[in-house]
Amino acid sequence: EAGVAQSPRYKIIEKRQSVAFWCNPISGHATLYWYQQILGQGPKLLIQFQNNGVVDDSQLPKDRFSAERLKGVDSTLKIQPAKLEDSAVYLCASSPFPRGASGANVLTFGAGSRLTVL
Amino acid sequence: AQKVTQAQTEISVVEKEDVTLDCVYETRDTTYYLFWYKQPPSGELVFLIRRNSFDEQNEISGRYSWNFQKSTSSFNFTITASQVVDSAVYFCALSGPRNSGGSNYKLTFGKGTLLTVNP
Repeated sequence: EAGVAQSPRYKIIEKRQSVAFWCNPISGHATLYWYQQILGQGPKLLIQFQNNGVVDDSQLPKDRFSAERLKGVDSTLKIQPAKLEDSAVYLCASSPFPRGASGANVLTFGAGSRLTVL
Repeated sequence: AQKVTQAQTEISVVEKEDVTLDCVYETRDTTYYLFWYKQPPSGELVFLIRRNSFDEQNEISGRYSWNFQKSTSSFNFTITASQVVDSAVYFCALSGPRNSGGSNYKLTFGKGTLLTVNP
């Protein structure tokens, strides 16, 4: 089974520039998550999709962050304009919820996209 | 609100020593799930274990064991006879019960414990 794919792995931009990250979840996983992990901290949920609908985006800074999951498969997370405090690793994860009840809330994570804002 | 506290920021041991990583959680849910994830230097979070709140049976898997105690809201993780390959950041996480929308399944992570196993 292929894992969660993310790109790019690394990105360096100037503040006020824009950036986009892409995620391809495990085939058949209905739920997709974007987490932000700042250095030295645990991951924090930004947005959760179930199929192509948003389940939770309460911690997404909507003035600069946006995300979409067209057709309920791939997802893109965009930051525009970026700030210094956006420097972090952006982790994408997927889970089989709502199907597969026994493993529904076990998230499989990608390797992440490391963003540095100068 | 849910909260996970991992009081140990960094632990350094010598190979073959046993090491315990502490995790204390807070939740108002009566049903919840606890997790441990490992994050090696490559950056990918690797799932280790999930426990249900109604199952306090401790678990052993090879060199890993987990001690879940609801009375103290703790879910500690022990590595026996540690190896250099165990070096990583370990995260404890908590999620709520399933609801119709699935939003309670979001994970709340602790800040992680950096484990360094020296040869």
